Amino acid sequence: EAGVAQSPRYKIIEKRQSVAFWCNPISGHATLYWYQQILGQGPKLLIQFQNNGVVDDSQLPKDRFSAERLKGVDSTLKIQPAKLEDSAVYLCASSFSLPTSGKNIQYFGAGTRLSVL
Amino acid sequence: RKEVEQDPGPFNVPEGATVAFNCTYSNSASQSFFWYRQDCRKEPKLLMSVYSSGNEDGRFTAQLNRASQYISLLIRDSKLSDSATYLCVVNKKLYGQNFVFGPGTRLSVLP
Repeated sequence: EAGVAQSPRYKIIEKRQSVAFWCNPISGHATLYWYQQILGQGPKLLIQFQNNGVVDDSQLPKDRFSAERLKGVDSTLKIQPAKLEDSAVYLCASSFSLPTSGKNIQYFGAGTRLSVL
Repeated sequence: RKEVEQDPGPFNVPEGATVAFNCTYSNSASQSFFWYRQDCRKEPKLLMSVYSSGNEDGRFTAQLNRASQYISLLIRDSKLSDSATYLCVVNKKLYGQNFVFGPGTRLSVLP
């Protein structure tokens, strides 16, 4: 089974530039997440989609970050303009509910490592 | 108080040792709990779910104490390959998903 695909793997930009990340979740997974992971910290949820609708974007800095999942499958996350503190790994994950317990299991992509100079 | 707290470590243990990590969570309504493993510069991967009755998977044992709001992970007979960061994850929702990650505990198993 194919995993969560993300691109690019690495990106280096200067502050005030814009950048976009792409994610293709595991087929059939209705829920998609974007996380920001700063070095030495756990992943922090930025936005969560259920199909193509936003479930939670309470921690998304909406003045500069945006995300969409137009057809309920793949998703893009954009930062415009980038700041130095946006340097982090951006992880995409998707999940499904276990039929026996209803428990959700997340699967992560390899992430995009962003460096803002 | 952070929603999910862990001792960041690092825990440096010799091969063959037994090591235990704890994780505390603040939301008493939290419903499901997981341990993820993250290798250096890699994505998190599910290690095991944590069930109310406790569960074991080979050398790994997870326990949940709802009254005290903590989760533990015990690793027996540590291997060099166990060196990684262990992330505690809490789902705050009964129906649906609202995952909160702890900062992780770093483990180094030494030869």
